[in-house]
Amino acid sequence: AQTVTQSQPEMSVQEAETVTLSCTYDTSESDYYLFWYKQPPSRQMILVIRQEAYKQQNATENRFSVNFQKAAKSFSLKISDSQLGDAAMYFCAFPSGGYNKLIFGAGTRLAVHP
Amino acid sequence: DARVTQTPRHKVTEMGQEVTMRCQPILGHNTVFWYRQTMMQGLELLAYFRNRAPLDDSGMPKDRFSAEMPDATLATLKIQPSEPRDSAVYFCASGTESSYNEQFFGPGTRLTVL
Repeated sequence: AQTVTQSQPEMSVQEAETVTLSCTYDTSESDYYLFWYKQPPSRQMILVIRQEAYKQQNATENRFSVNFQKAAKSFSLKISDSQLGDAAMYFCAFPSGGYNKLIFGAGTRLAVHP
Repeated sequence: DARVTQTPRHKVTEMGQEVTMRCQPILGHNTVFWYRQTMMQGLELLAYFRNRAPLDDSGMPKDRFSAEMPDATLATLKIQPSEPRDSAVYFCASGTESSYNEQFFGPGTRLTVL
């Protein structure tokens, strides 16, 4: 069965510092995408970053970057220069079973301290 | 600015009442998903449609839940009769069959069943 695991229920970081959220997954597929979604207190699910499994290069979106290790099935999210607005739940997601179905991890709640 | 809309945003109802939640996917998207989010279970996929046809509703309690797409601009999720354990946030998401697998989420409906 395909699974997504986020082992850190909560994390905290000081403003302007860097934090890394971890995610591991299990799949037998060779070509797929991985996603990080952010859910702020407003509840809106917002796509943060996307990684294509067949690409060697790690994806980057401004202050957000991933460390993708395909062999280890690891997909961590690094947030640089953390801002108060980054405080949210972060979900790692992985497509399963075709048809664009996403399996979500349990989430990591990130607190940002001034 | 294309976005998924959901109505109502909040719903409080008595146990045993029928609840209908509506979703308007982004124009041009042919896949629609219904998710339920609770503290205990996280994000669970309830149903999935492609080109208005239900492809997977295995996550949905069949005896009380039903999901339909009367047309390409409207998806509905009904609960009849509702129970307190149905209290959750229900998200609709839409996407296309591109290789990106990205899903665009609506703002959610917070349901409280008393």
